[in-house]
Amino acid sequence: QKEVEQNSGPLSVPEGAIASLNCTYSDRGSQSFFWYRQYSGKSPELIMFIYSNGDKEDGRFTAQLNKASQYVSLLIRDSQPSDSATYLCAGYGGATNKLIFGTGTLLAVQP
Amino acid sequence: DGGITQSPKYLFRKEGQNVTLSCEQNLNHDAMYWYRQDPGQGLRLIYYSQIVNDFQKGDIAEGYSVSREKKESFPLTVTSAQKNPTAFYLCASSPKGQARDSPLHFGNGTRLTVT
Repeated sequence: QKEVEQNSGPLSVPEGAIASLNCTYSDRGSQSFFWYRQYSGKSPELIMFIYSNGDKEDGRFTAQLNKASQYVSLLIRDSQPSDSATYLCAGYGGATNKLIFGTGTLLAVQP
Repeated sequence: DGGITQSPKYLFRKEGQNVTLSCEQNLNHDAMYWYRQDPGQGLRLIYYSQIVNDFQKGDIAEGYSVSREKKESFPLTVTSAQKNPTAFYLCASSPKGQARDSPLHFGNGTRLTVT
């Protein structure tokens, strides 16, 4: 079982809709999670991170962490074609005390 | 503007040659990292350094070497011992070592092709 799992997608949503990206993790001791956006051929850019149960909002982005169910999600409101990219989830802590990346979910926002 | 500069952007080498990838940061971050990205795989840690003159192997260090003589610089050498060196290499830094509130900031990457 992968330590941080993401559906590879593509996840296709219409412009203006809410995009929901999900990530599950196997190490119950994981402390925090980071979301990165990566455009094709480019390097990852940090969107936000979360380490407390519940929601954390930053502009159009909301990260949600549910430690009991071991999943973390990223919601993108009012999705735009410019949001089309691969979204990487990374978890920190747990048994390895390292940052572990998922393989990413490709998001396609249709105009 | 502060940031992380990787050079070159594209690098082509013949099999059997060593090659060094440059990474410089002016963010005054203590920690620096090298990751490798291959299609369909998550980022994999090659080496990291939390202070000058000290560095640690990551998950896939075989065939790679690094140095950290200055806080700002963390070059990566891909040696001929690396079996599959063709990949996208990403340098990153963080204010302190890996911690729950210390996100990584990435450079623009170097795409290495070995033939």
